Amino acid sequence: AQSVTQPDIHITVSEGASLELRCNYSYGATPYLFWYVQSPGQGLQLLLKYFSGDTLVQGIKGFEAEFKRSQSSFNLRKPSVHWSDAAEYFCAVGMDSWGKLQFGAGTQVVVTP
Amino acid sequence: NAGVTQTPKFQVLKTGQSMTLQCAQDMNHEYMSWYRQDPGMGLRLIHYSVGAGITDQGEVPNGYNVSRSTTEDFPLRLLSAAPSQTSVYFCASSYAGASGANVLTFGAGSRLTVL
Repeated sequence: AQSVTQPDIHITVSEGASLELRCNYSYGATPYLFWYVQSPGQGLQLLLKYFSGDTLVQGIKGFEAEFKRSQSSFNLRKPSVHWSDAAEYFCAVGMDSWGKLQFGAGTQVVVTP
Repeated sequence: NAGVTQTPKFQVLKTGQSMTLQCAQDMNHEYMSWYRQDPGMGLRLIHYSVGAGITDQGEVPNGYNVSRSTTEDFPLRLLSAAPSQTSVYFCASSYAGASGANVLTFGAGSRLTVL
């Protein structure tokens, strides 16, 4: 069965510091991979996606993610966080090409001054 | 262009009551879906539709019904609400991405409390 694991439930980071959020998946085929961000009381916004090709993908708001097939991982990174990056981040695996997604449990990011 | 619109944003129900969460999209997307979000569990797929007249169950379909009579609308019905259905519900629609896989666009969510 497919699964998506985000090992870190909660991360606290200082403004200006780097951020890395981990995502591991279990899936039989080459997956479609996504990172979404949810600000408090809001819907989900797509940060970036990986379908094929270059394993380092760039997204919005200065985020990037790297697909590592050997480690079944798709970790999200940002070199320097801003206070506005405080949110919950979800990794998701696409189970088909239509957009049926399986989500991880999410990682809450708190940014301190 | 409104995107994906969900109504209502908030609703309180008593156990056993019924209600419908509305979802409409104006992007002519074929695929629409409903997720529920619960703390510590991420989002879980309830039902989805790949086009008008076609629906299927997701991971947690029990207690929910859907129909898709038009491309634009995909309502989610709770026939007899239970406290376990207290959650935040998200509707999403998707388009065919450039690389052949769809990308979901989410509504703002509907927060449902069942007493």
